[in-house]
Amino acid sequence: KQEVTQIPAALSVPEGENLVLNCSFTDSAIYNLQWFRQDPGKGLTSLLLIQSSQREQTSGRLNASLDKSSGRSTLYIAASQPGDSATYLCAVKHMEYGNKLVFGAGTILRVKS
Amino acid sequence: DAGVIQSPRHEVTEMGQEVTLRCKPISGHDYLFWYRQTMMRGLELLIYFNNNVPIDDSGMPEDRFSAKMPNASFSTLKIQPSEPRDSAVYFCASSLHNEQFFGPGTRLTVL
Repeated sequence: KQEVTQIPAALSVPEGENLVLNCSFTDSAIYNLQWFRQDPGKGLTSLLLIQSSQREQTSGRLNASLDKSSGRSTLYIAASQPGDSATYLCAVKHMEYGNKLVFGAGTILRVKS
Repeated sequence: DAGVIQSPRHEVTEMGQEVTLRCKPISGHDYLFWYRQTMMRGLELLIYFNNNVPIDDSGMPEDRFSAKMPNASFSTLKIQPSEPRDSAVYFCASSLHNEQFFGPGTRLTVL
């Protein structure tokens, strides 16, 4: 059974700091990995999607990397801003589980001004 | 596009009542997913459809839950009868290829 773990569970940083959020998964036979952002009381917003054949994806100040063989992904946020405060979730689509996503519990990020 | 639309946004009901949640996926998307999110269990997939056909309902907790997708632009998730432990945020999501797009969710409270 695929399990997804996110570390740390919560993170508080001062504005301007570069930071890394970690995601690990137990079964490396994934089809893709997706990073989401969730603001309090809101739905999930897709940030980045990395296919299993890719090593990284970038969007603005965000960069996500994927090391499938070691079962790890990192989300790098450059020059963090208070507006980045949210919960960040990663989810993997496993090759044998059809079109399902398995989610991690998320990292709660707070960027202090 | 307006994105995935869900209604109602909030629902408060009493135990034993029937609850119907509604979802309109993004036009052109061929997959539709229903998720439930709680503090204790995080995000759980309940059921998903492909081209209006249910593909996997193994996440549906019990027979009290049912979902339908009568056409490509509408889906419902019904709970009958509702119980307090069903209180959660229910999300609908849709996708065309790989990336899933989520609606704003319905916050359900069963008293």
